[in-house]
Amino acid sequence: QKEVEQNSGPLSVPEGAIASLNCTYSDRVSQSFFWYRQYSGKSPELIMSIYSNGDKEDGRFTAQLNKASQYVSLLIRDSQPSDSATYLCAVSDGGYNKLIFGAGTRLAVHP
Amino acid sequence: DVKVTQSSRYLVKRTGEKVFLECVQDMDHENMFWYRQDPGLGLRLIYFSYDVKMKEKGDIPEGYSVSREKKERFSLILESASTNQTSMYLCASRISGAGGEKLFFGSGTQLSVL
Repeated sequence: QKEVEQNSGPLSVPEGAIASLNCTYSDRVSQSFFWYRQYSGKSPELIMSIYSNGDKEDGRFTAQLNKASQYVSLLIRDSQPSDSATYLCAVSDGGYNKLIFGAGTRLAVHP
Repeated sequence: DVKVTQSSRYLVKRTGEKVFLECVQDMDHENMFWYRQDPGLGLRLIYFSYDVKMKEKGDIPEGYSVSREKKERFSLILESASTNQTSMYLCASRISGAGGEKLFFGSGTQLSVL
């Protein structure tokens, strides 16, 4: 059974701090990795994708991938209360068609 | 703007009923998906479809079937609803090929089976 593991949280950080969200996956052949954000009562939306080892930055968000260690992380700099949501890690299973999702980490940013 | 529409936001059904969940997308996407989301379990893929009349089983297809007679519409069918099918159901679509990594989700259907 291919798995994607995330700490369920909640991860509580003060406004302005860096939030670090982590994800590990079991399938070594996975090639594509995604972070989705899901606000309470809403559907998930894609915020980051990463395919190569290293860092990928987009505004306040940085995705980090280490295929040797089978982990992917998401850093949110200058965290805002509006970043409070559940963050879902998703890993491709042989292509984009089958994404395996983690259970998500709930982030709470307090003023 | 991109739109994936699910027919019902909340649905209450009785055990043994046949249940239809409808999903329509207006983006001419080839690929459509049905997930269920349960607390602590994340999103789990039930079925997906590459094209009209094409379907593939996901990770948890038991107790479900699907229909895709038109490109824009993907239906999830619970042949005989059971209480363990109480869940949030999310439909999603995406394009094929380059740029197709982004899934567009509908707003979800919270199904309660009593």
